[in-house]
Amino acid sequence: AQKVTQAQTEISVVEKEDVTLDCVYETRDTTYYLFWYKQPPSGELVFLIRRNSFDEQNEISGRYSWNFQKSTSSFNFTITASQVVDSAVYFCALSSLSGSRLTFGEGTQLTVNP
Amino acid sequence: GAGVSQTPSNKVTEKGKYVELRCDPISGHTALYWYRQSLGQGPEFLIYFQGTGAADDSGLPNDRFFAVRPEGSVSTLKIQRTERGDSAVYLCASSLTGPSGANVLTFGAGSRLTVL
Repeated sequence: AQKVTQAQTEISVVEKEDVTLDCVYETRDTTYYLFWYKQPPSGELVFLIRRNSFDEQNEISGRYSWNFQKSTSSFNFTITASQVVDSAVYFCALSSLSGSRLTFGEGTQLTVNP
Repeated sequence: GAGVSQTPSNKVTEKGKYVELRCDPISGHTALYWYRQSLGQGPEFLIYFQGTGAADDSGLPNDRFFAVRPEGSVSTLKIQRTERGDSAVYLCASSLTGPSGANVLTFGAGSRLTVL
């Protein structure tokens, strides 16, 4: 069975602070995919990134960066210089190679205060 | 359409009633998914369609839940004899191809179901 754990239920920061959202996963698959989605108050989940299990290179996209560490089964997400518009619920998710389903964590509610 | 469209956005019903929730995926997307999101939780998989057929319905909680996609485009999630525990946001998503764990899903805004 697959499992995704996001231990931080809520995080509150002040604008311009850096913030890291943690994600730990469990799977018996050797090939799998990891995702991050953002859910703003409108409710629509927005895709942020996908990584496959063979690619452990960290990735940076603007103020966003992701740290994938297979040895610790973690896929953490950092927002640099946070902005109020970053306020949302962020979900980490896991899928097997041929899977038709995503297994989501419970999400982290990020609030960025001005 | 430009995105995944779900109707109604909100539905309030009484316990025991029948409910239908509709999803209109992105044009050309062959794969369609339904997820359920309870308050404060992550989305949970319900069912996956590839074309017209339900390729994986193992997430449906019981036989009160049923979904169809008769022409391989629009899908309807049907819930019979609703219970208060069915209250949740029902999310629909679509992807260009399937099945593959690499698929990037595009989600709709959801249908919020409240069972009184």
